[in-house]
Amino acid sequence: SQQGEEDPQALSIQEGENATMNCSYKTSINNLQWYRQNSGRGLVHLILIRSNEREKHSGRLRVTLDTSKKSSSLLITASRAADTASYFCATGANSKLTFGKGITLSVRP
Amino acid sequence: EAQVTQNPRYLITVTGKKLTVTCSQNMNHEYMSWYRQDPGLGLRQIYYSMNVEVTDKGDVPEGYKVSRKEKRNFPLILESPSPNQTSLYFCASSSDRYYGYTFGSGTRLTVV
Repeated sequence: SQQGEEDPQALSIQEGENATMNCSYKTSINNLQWYRQNSGRGLVHLILIRSNEREKHSGRLRVTLDTSKKSSSLLITASRAADTASYFCATGANSKLTFGKGITLSVRP
Repeated sequence: EAQVTQNPRYLITVTGKKLTVTCSQNMNHEYMSWYRQDPGLGLRQIYYSMNVEVTDKGDVPEGYKVSRKEKRNFPLILESPSPNQTSLYFCASSSDRYYGYTFGSGTRLTVV
């Protein structure tokens, strides 16, 4: 079962702009995670936010979690061409980590 | 270097010919998992293991087997591969089922 759903499906921005990606989910979770995948390669863990946390920062990344709305957002500030990748949210619940279908981010130089 | 190693990276095989994709991690992680990634469907979990000799089905287990005889290894077995198992497969491990996963580089399998 697909738990998280990312929005938008694709995003194209100019280098230096901020990128905001959203994730909604349906059931109660233990935590929510964001991953990045460069074309055809393995996923890389970016950040994890627990269900009792509302906001977390890591470098240029800021993630928020609203459990009442069952949604999360990932903000990448001052984007770079190297941020071009697919981004996935994943929800941890019932001893499993379930991924959404992903967002394709393109950062134009 | 902490890593998850999958082999092979690429595999083309024929329908019905048994194959095994190996996965090994060097981080002493208890939790390991297999996913398949297909266009438009994202990543779907096949099987997972919370420790040695403890495995359980994910969302799409049909046609696959796994075993966890040692902590570091978690092979994925396709007893009789079919074309609908053509996919990109990822092994991942974590110190806990809810922590961040470390992913392998993937195995691109084509069944003809």
